Amino acid sequence: SAVISQKPSRDICQRGTSLTIQCQVDSQVTMMFWYRQQPGQSLTLIATANQGSEATYESGFVIDKFPISRPNLTFSTLTVSNMSPEDSSIYLCSVRDGLSYEQYFGPGTRLTVT
Amino acid sequence: GQQLNQSPQSMFIQEGEDVSMNCTSSSIFNTWLWYKQDPGEGPVLLIALYKAGELTSNGRLTAQFGITRKDSFLNISASIPSDVGIYFCAGQFDAGGTSYGKLTFGQGTILTVHP
Repeated sequence: SAVISQKPSRDICQRGTSLTIQCQVDSQVTMMFWYRQQPGQSLTLIATANQGSEATYESGFVIDKFPISRPNLTFSTLTVSNMSPEDSSIYLCSVRDGLSYEQYFGPGTRLTVT
Repeated sequence: GQQLNQSPQSMFIQEGEDVSMNCTSSSIFNTWLWYKQDPGEGPVLLIALYKAGELTSNGRLTAQFGITRKDSFLNISASIPSDVGIYFCAGQFDAGGTSYGKLTFGQGTILTVHP
């Protein structure tokens, strides 16, 4: 399985600011995804990070709020823009194995907005 | 959109007991995945299921893909304290296009094991 790292692991931010979360994979992967896990809740897909093209966002998530970059097959960033306390969540990067269709998750970034 | 109902929401069991949890969907999936999440960590993949009726084991864990493709269950036998955590089911339906690779998650089952 792929080894996925995320930076930062956690952060406390002021409302109105932005935070960029990095996701690094130890092998080239076609499909990378960003999920949000609100406190005590399940995981919700934010978007699919497409290499070389704009990300595909799920209903309820927009590019202005969650811009995503995917410059190559091993790296992606998610920015949480103009943060409010409602954005306090764990943000998780995941990748899909092209052969087995299994999906693996990074350790997550725990964000608290004050 | 697709919704997954996972039950039970929580379980309190004694060490050594067997555990069973399940997920049902309003629509079909062609892949079911089961994850475990420990506090402060990302979900870890336990078992992946690809065919209706498939029964797959991973150590003390056994999972099945329902015949209707709308449900799955996970069993843990002879539970131990390190089984504590939150277990999530996730369904995937690859219809191509924008749905490709998208996982829909259940609400999770919180498992507590008393020594």
